[in-house]
Amino acid sequence: GAVVSQHPSRVICKSGTSVKIECRSLDFQATTMFWYRQFPKQSLMLMATSNEGSKATYEQGVEKDKFLINHASLTLSTLTVTSAHPEDSSFYICSAGEGSKETQYFGPGTRLLVL
Amino acid sequence: GQQLNQSPQSMFIQEGEDVSMNCTSSSIFNTWLWYKQDPGEGPVLLIALYKAGELTSNGRLTAQFGITRKDSFLNISASIPSDVGIYFCAGQLRGGATNKLIFGTGTLLAVQP
Repeated sequence: GAVVSQHPSRVICKSGTSVKIECRSLDFQATTMFWYRQFPKQSLMLMATSNEGSKATYEQGVEKDKFLINHASLTLSTLTVTSAHPEDSSFYICSAGEGSKETQYFGPGTRLLVL
Repeated sequence: GQQLNQSPQSMFIQEGEDVSMNCTSSSIFNTWLWYKQDPGEGPVLLIALYKAGELTSNGRLTAQFGITRKDSFLNISASIPSDVGIYFCAGQLRGGATNKLIFGTGTLLAVQP
C-alpha cells in the first residue's frame, strides 16, 4: 500500500519550453501532496505544498508563477515548470500524505534536463 | 530552507557491522521519519515515530524518537551490501497549518562485502 507514481521519469526539453510533471497516489487519497527539488549530492528541499481544491502554498524563494501547481483531485497533483531554463535542471520528487497521521510517501522522482 | 543536522555525513563499513546515525534539531517535532534513497530514486520510508521516547524496529533497523522531541537516531544491525544508499531523517510538525517535512542533510552509507 501507499504507492505514489510520477510521470514522466525523465524529460529533456529546450530552454523556454514548459514541462508538466504528474504525481499520483495509486492506492490512497491524498488531501495534501508536496513537491520537492533535489540537486546532486544534496538533500530534498520543499518547493510547495499542494492542497486539493485550493491554491498551493509555496516556500520562500520559490516562484509561484514559474512552478505552477494544480491539485485537481485527491489522487493527482501536477507541477508545471514554465519557460524552463538550464538552471531548472534538477530531480523533482513529489510526496503524498497518507492516513490520519499524514505520513508522507514519495514518488520515484522526475529527472529534468533543460538544454 | 531549514535543514536538520544529521551525522555522520558518510560511513564506510564492512558487511556485518552495526551502524548508527542521528539527527538533531533546534526545533521540536511531533513526528520523526527515516527514509532511504537509492541513486535516481525517490526516498522510501523505513520507520515512522510518532511519540517522544518511542523506540520502533523494522527488521534490522531500529529508530528512537528523542525525549526532548529534538532528536532521533537510526541503528542498522548486521549491515549487508543492499543497505548501501543515502539515509535521511525528517521531522514533521503535524496538526498545524501544514504537515510539511524538514529533511536532514543525509548520511551516505557504503558497505563493503
